[in-house]
Amino acid sequence: DIQMTQSPSSLSASVGDRVTITCRASQTVYTYLNWYQHKPGKAPKLLIYTASSLQSGVPSRFSGSGSGTDFTLTISSLQPEDFATYYCQQSYTTPYTFGQGTKLEIK
Amino acid sequence: QLHLQESGPGLVKPSETLSLTCSVSGGSISSNTYYWGWIRQPPGNGLEWIGNIFYRGSTYYNPSLKSRVTISIDTSKNQFSLKLSSVTAADAAVYYCARRYVGQFDPWGQGTLVLVSS
Repeated sequence: DIQMTQSPSSLSASVGDRVTITCRASQTVYTYLNWYQHKPGKAPKLLIYTASSLQSGVPSRFSGSGSGTDFTLTISSLQPEDFATYYCQQSYTTPYTFGQGTKLEIK
Repeated sequence: QLHLQESGPGLVKPSETLSLTCSVSGGSISSNTYYWGWIRQPPGNGLEWIGNIFYRGSTYYNPSLKSRVTISIDTSKNQFSLKLSSVTAADAAVYYCARRYVGQFDPWGQGTLVLVSS
């Protein structure tokens, strides 16, 4: 299985900050990398697919980049509604695997 | 707008079979474009993909669960289901259903918590 490792596992930031979350795959996944936002008690939400494509309806302050084994999710200016847990997921091969999550908290 | 909703018992006894259903509304499950999947999240742990099904019935399972998992689909009810046999405490989790397009999952259901206890 392809292991996905996110860093950091948790992050404290303030409204207006620029935040970057990293995801590393144990082998190449090319650009088959997706990002999700998850709030407690809610359905996870797709933010970015194929590494850098913004899902319809997702604010443009979210962006993704990377290819191969190293990927980043960037939030350009944190809004109050962005405090959540973020997961990466590789879709290059089954079994699909997820990162362990990055919990973004208010400083 | 497509909506998915999980349903089923919130408590299952050890060694028994966990059964969940995902009801899809706002769109047809009989699509050539999408797969339908199950993902779970044990308390305090990350997300684990369980498997997918196509409306014609073809399935793909996580090898770690393959011997215990069955995913089925009922196009007449616009539903798909998950059965996980011989459950243990390690199977306690929030179970999500989701639509899969290419490799990404969107949308997801809100999730249902399943506990395993006698």
